[in-house]
Amino acid sequence: AQSVTQLDSQVPVFEEAPVELRCNYSSSVSVYLFWYVQYPNQGLQLLLKYLSGSTLVKGINGFEAEFNKSQTSFHLRKPSVHISDTAEYFCAVSEFPGNTPLVFGKGTRLSVIA
Amino acid sequence: DADVTQTPRNRITKTGKRIMLECSQTKGHDRMYWYRQDPGLGLRLIYYSFDVKDINKGEISDGYSVSRQAQAKFSLSLESAIPNQTALYFCATSDKIKQGRDEQFFGPGTRLTVL
Repeated sequence: AQSVTQLDSQVPVFEEAPVELRCNYSSSVSVYLFWYVQYPNQGLQLLLKYLSGSTLVKGINGFEAEFNKSQTSFHLRKPSVHISDTAEYFCAVSEFPGNTPLVFGKGTRLSVIA
Repeated sequence: DADVTQTPRNRITKTGKRIMLECSQTKGHDRMYWYRQDPGLGLRLIYYSFDVKDINKGEISDGYSVSRQAQAKFSLSLESAIPNQTALYFCATSDKIKQGRDEQFFGPGTRLTVL
């Protein structure tokens, strides 16, 4: 069965600095990978997803992630963060062909400091 | 209008009470899910349903039951609520045809407090 590890539970960063949120997964088959964001007092919304093809995936709000099969990682990056990026970020994995539910990591709380 | 709605949005109840959380969706999706979110634990799957006649237990189903009344409705019940069921509960849906290649769409959540 698949699993997801988000290596940092909290990441503080100054405004306009770059950020990387780390995600590693474990699976014996091909996977689909997702990053979700949860703003305060809201539900989750999709930031980006990797299904196949190019390993660099671009999402909303200037975020991108890179799929690295050899390192079983899917780290999320943004070159310059804003106060409005303060939120909790969840990495999730689904196994091919997709007949099992998504498995979520425990989340990383990103705090952007002015 | 929101595609995935949850009622109630907030609920405070007492230990031992029966509680039902409801989820409705207008996305036409076959697959529906119930999760609970606790600080530091992320989202944990309680139950999921891939169609009206298919119900499956998730990671933490003990103390919960579900009912899939229609394609668009999926309810979560706590038969006898206990304080450690205090959490934020989310309903989600996804498209059966796209299977795991598509995202899940989440409702706004129900904050449940059991005293």
